[in-house]
Amino acid sequence: GQNIDQPTEMTATEGAIVQINCTYQTSGFNGLFWYQQHAGEAPTFLSYNVLDGLEEKGRFSSFLSRSKGYSYLLLKELQMKDSASYLCAVRNTDKLIFGTGTRLQVFP
Amino acid sequence: SQTIHQWPATLVQPVGSPLSLECTVEGTSNPNLYWYRQAAGRGLQLLFYSVGIGQISSEVPQNLSASRPQDRQFILSSKKLLLSDSGFYLCAWTPRLWGYEQYFGPGTRLTVT
Repeated sequence: GQNIDQPTEMTATEGAIVQINCTYQTSGFNGLFWYQQHAGEAPTFLSYNVLDGLEEKGRFSSFLSRSKGYSYLLLKELQMKDSASYLCAVRNTDKLIFGTGTRLQVFP
Repeated sequence: SQTIHQWPATLVQPVGSPLSLECTVEGTSNPNLYWYRQAAGRGLQLLFYSVGIGQISSEVPQNLSASRPQDRQFILSSKKLLLSDSGFYLCAWTPRLWGYEQYFGPGTRLTVT
């Protein structure tokens, strides 16, 4: 089966750091994606991890542990515009399997 | 540069009516193409994907179908819509030869009444 778990909702304060976790159990694994989706809009690509470790890209970082079936997205120096849903997706050959997403609300 | 188009942007259709949503990609060739549906407050559900003209893989059995008549065109259809078909329909593409990221179109919001 395919199972990707993320917290449903998180809240944080502007300027803070937040970590969004994702655990997965899938029949195949070729990499893990994180996407950002603002309400009513299409998802946009944030990061892609294939190997274990941390990938840093500006205020956003993503970590992967394949042995633990675990990833997290770290958002630093939160801004109001970071209020959005964050989708974890596992790549299995030609397909992406998405989690249900974590809705992040940033408060001033 | 590559761009992906979807139309219409919004659609309100009665139960039992037919559906046709279109997706086209510009600036690339031989892409993988995908149709997703997102119900309100839910994750993305993969409906169909295609690795080439006329090649369609169905992920979820339902009253929808997909076709790829041209390399950069992907169509989602239904003969008779159900209330449960309401949702946000997203088309995406992947450059098969040089990357795995999926790039999404702007989406079509379908309401079945």
